[in-house]
Amino acid sequence: DAGVTQSPTHLIKTRGQQVTLRCSPKSGHDTVSWYQQALGQGPQFIFQYYEEEERQRGNFPDRFSGHQFPNYSSELNVNALLLGDSALYLCASSRPGPGRLGDTQYFGPGTRLTVL
Amino acid sequence: GIQVEQSPPDLILQEGANSTLRCNFSDSVNNLQWFHQNPWGQLINLFYIPSGTKQNGRLSATTVATERYSLLYISSSQTTDSGVYFCAGPSGGYQKVTFGIGTKLQVIP
Repeated sequence: DAGVTQSPTHLIKTRGQQVTLRCSPKSGHDTVSWYQQALGQGPQFIFQYYEEEERQRGNFPDRFSGHQFPNYSSELNVNALLLGDSALYLCASSRPGPGRLGDTQYFGPGTRLTVL
Repeated sequence: GIQVEQSPPDLILQEGANSTLRCNFSDSVNNLQWFHQNPWGQLINLFYIPSGTKQNGRLSATTVATERYSLLYISSSQTTDSGVYFCAGPSGGYQKVTFGIGTKLQVIP
């Protein structure tokens, strides 16, 4: 049973560019959340997708957008990259159904983004 | 949303020693999770523990929801326990999860 997978593993971009990160949830999961983890900090919630819609969003600008596909996989897009966007981007999936505060989240290995 | 505070921020242990990590949260929670992040960045869920005590091998966790704190116990620590330990709780509905800043643990041989 494959866990949460993310691609690419590492990515280097320059300021102003756009980036797309990808996530496939754990088998049987249909809810995907994205987090940004800056160096030395805890993960910060970006947004959550369920049924191909953004269900909830953290305090991130509109430059951060996402998408969920019918197979539950998800993309995170960041436009007009800033130096401060350099971070580890984590994807987490959980079992079916929104609003289930008790559900365990399973995290992928992350994508390390460096913006030069 | 809730605020999550963790202590201590850093901890160095001799292999075989025991330790207790603490997580305080600003509001009542009905869901608290402990995670371990290894040196390669992988986050592993250790416990989902809204209340009570759970044990998994050398690790155990206790949450006292009425007093808004949770403790993670590590017994007979091993070098593989090194990494950062995070607690996290729900914030703002659904599964929006707020993380603490973590406790960085280093276990030395």
